[in-house]
Amino acid sequence: GAGVSQSPSNKVTEKGKDVELRCDPISGHTALYWYRQSLGQGLEFLIYFQGNSAPDKSGLPSDRFSAERTGGSVSTLTIQRTQQEDSAVYLCASSPPPVGSQPQHFGDGTRLSIL
Amino acid sequence: ILNVEQSPQSLHVQEGDSTNFTCSFPSSNFYALHWYRWETAKSPEALFVMTLNGDEKKKGRISATLNTKEGYSYLYIKGSQPEDSATYLCALYAGNNRKLIWGLGTSLAVNP
Repeated sequence: GAGVSQSPSNKVTEKGKDVELRCDPISGHTALYWYRQSLGQGLEFLIYFQGNSAPDKSGLPSDRFSAERTGGSVSTLTIQRTQQEDSAVYLCASSPPPVGSQPQHFGDGTRLSIL
Repeated sequence: ILNVEQSPQSLHVQEGDSTNFTCSFPSSNFYALHWYRWETAKSPEALFVMTLNGDEKKKGRISATLNTKEGYSYLYIKGSQPEDSATYLCALYAGNNRKLIWGLGTSLAVNP
């Protein structure tokens, strides 16, 4: 079956522009996670959705970052007024219930480059 | 604050060697321990999810054990192959959190 799909796969944009990243989770997966990996760094948690609600937004680096999920499915991560330090690979993962005891399935990521 | 530690940070072995790495975590409120394999230029891939103390799981040449009382898990690779070269991540799901707490990984390089 289809895996987690992310788009675009690559995005190059100028500093100060807004960007929107999309994640299509696996059908039936209630939990959805956003992570990012900056150059030379590990996996950094950004936000977690259970259904359409986000119980944990603690990882969002600043108020320029926001995310939403609609219909318990597609999620978008929006970065406003991008900065060069936002350059990273943004990964989305989803998992079926029960949360925690099921593995997370990752998409291929969006490579974001801010000029 | 929950902290998941992995050791060693990196490892170089020869093809055919067997190797193992450690994941340490606080044992309170334990719910599940995850292992993932992350190859360069790819996304992380789940290896195991372990929930019971004493659990032992195997996938081909890779196996893992879990000790929830003392707070550690071992990942073993038997007869390493160059295609095993990757970063191996463990992550803890503890009862009060709703997210995985990730370790920084062990980077394995297998020389042919």
